[in-house]
Amino acid sequence: DIVMTQSPDSLAVSLGERATINCKSSQSVLYSSNNKNYLAWYQQKPGQPPKLLIYWASTRESGVPDRFSGSGSGTDFTLTISSLQAEDVAVYYCQQYYSTPFSFGQGTRLEIK
Amino acid sequence: QVQLVQSGAEVKKPGASVKVSCKASGYTFTSYYMHWVRQAPGQGLEWMGIINPSGGSTSYAQKFQGRVTMTRDTSTSTVYMELSSLRSEDTAVYYCARDKSRIVVVPAAIGYWGQGTLVTVSS
Repeated sequence: DIVMTQSPDSLAVSLGERATINCKSSQSVLYSSNNKNYLAWYQQKPGQPPKLLIYWASTRESGVPDRFSGSGSGTDFTLTISSLQAEDVAVYYCQQYYSTPFSFGQGTRLEIK
Repeated sequence: QVQLVQSGAEVKKPGASVKVSCKASGYTFTSYYMHWVRQAPGQGLEWMGIINPSGGSTSYAQKFQGRVTMTRDTSTSTVYMELSSLRSEDTAVYYCARDKSRIVVVPAAIGYWGQGTLVTVSS
């Protein structure tokens, strides 16, 4: 099974500043035949189901603000929020869908400093 | 618009079984994979398995093998997740969630989520 490890577990950033969350997979999630990374990022606010932000490691879901971006390849990935807004306070999860079980990272709690 | 409406909260005793339903609408039911994900109170997300609503084939996380059964009813566009031999650690919100990819390709990211069903296991 692929183990997903996020860092840090929690993060406090000032409004308007950059927030960076990392995700590392225990094996590559890059499928060589199509050169796609099978990695997604989700945002979850209290009492709500998760919301898809990024898929294929760097493709922004429709309607997601462009301050959210994803990068990385192979085993190391990053979610960046370029200018933190109050509504971005949430828990963020990465997930690999390269092979079953489609495991999630443990989550990163993002707060306002 | 895509909607996934789940059944209501359940309270079960240890050793019992629970069956959660998820009724889909707003798209062609048999064209997209459906995942089940759970979240224990205050904890992270845990992927349980996936069903192909077209043929009914499933893939379960090893952790749940032998205890979980995912089925579908194409006549009502509903998928079901049954978990047996419940224990206190199974107390969680259970989500059905639709894949982004059409079934002609491999599963991908999860694009739509149900509202969640709280299952409480307590004696």
